Amino acid sequence: ELKVEQNPLFLSMQEGKNYTIYCNYSTTSDRLYWYRQDPGKSLESLFVLLSNGAVKQEGRLMASLDTKARLSTLHITAAVHDLSATYFCAVDNPSGNTPLVFGKGTRLSVIA
Amino acid sequence: NAGVMQNPRHLVRRRGQEARLRCSPMKGHSHVYWYRQLPEEGLKFMVYLQKENIIDESGMPKERFSAEFPKEGPSILRIQQVVRGDSAAYFCASSPGTPNTGELFFGEGSRLTVL
Repeated sequence: ELKVEQNPLFLSMQEGKNYTIYCNYSTTSDRLYWYRQDPGKSLESLFVLLSNGAVKQEGRLMASLDTKARLSTLHITAAVHDLSATYFCAVDNPSGNTPLVFGKGTRLSVIA
Repeated sequence: NAGVMQNPRHLVRRRGQEARLRCSPMKGHSHVYWYRQLPEEGLKFMVYLQKENIIDESGMPKERFSAEFPKEGPSILRIQQVVRGDSAAYFCASSPGTPNTGELFFGEGSRLTVL
């Protein structure tokens, strides 16, 4: 059974600081996704990582995938308040038809 | 707006009543997925459907829950005889048929409260 673990689950960081969120998964998969969720809202797709070594950047966020280590990182550079949200990673389940398996999410608060 | 449409957005039911949640996928998408999110939790997969077929229902409770995606009309997630533990946000997502990147596109969710 595919398990996806994120850490930290809660993160409070100051504006202007850098930090990294980690996503580990338990079985081989080549596809990983990062989503953002604001309170009471839907999930917004941030990054789609489809191969080992994939790196994608959008604004202050950068995501990478290491399929050998079964690890993805979401790096936040010079955080701003607008980045406050919950960030989920999800992994494509390679067995059968079951789709994405989600981590529990990292709740990020950026404070002045 | 051609996104995934869910309704109702909010639904209140008393214990023992039935809840019906509807989902219209994005235009051109033939695959629908239902996930449940409990407060402060991640998303748990419930069921995966294509038109008129249930592909995977391994995440759906065997009793009281059912889902369909008819040839015409939206997908429906039905919860019979609701209990307080059913209170959650239910998200529908869709994707196009293969080939695709595996990315899922989510609706705004239906928030069920059971009194």
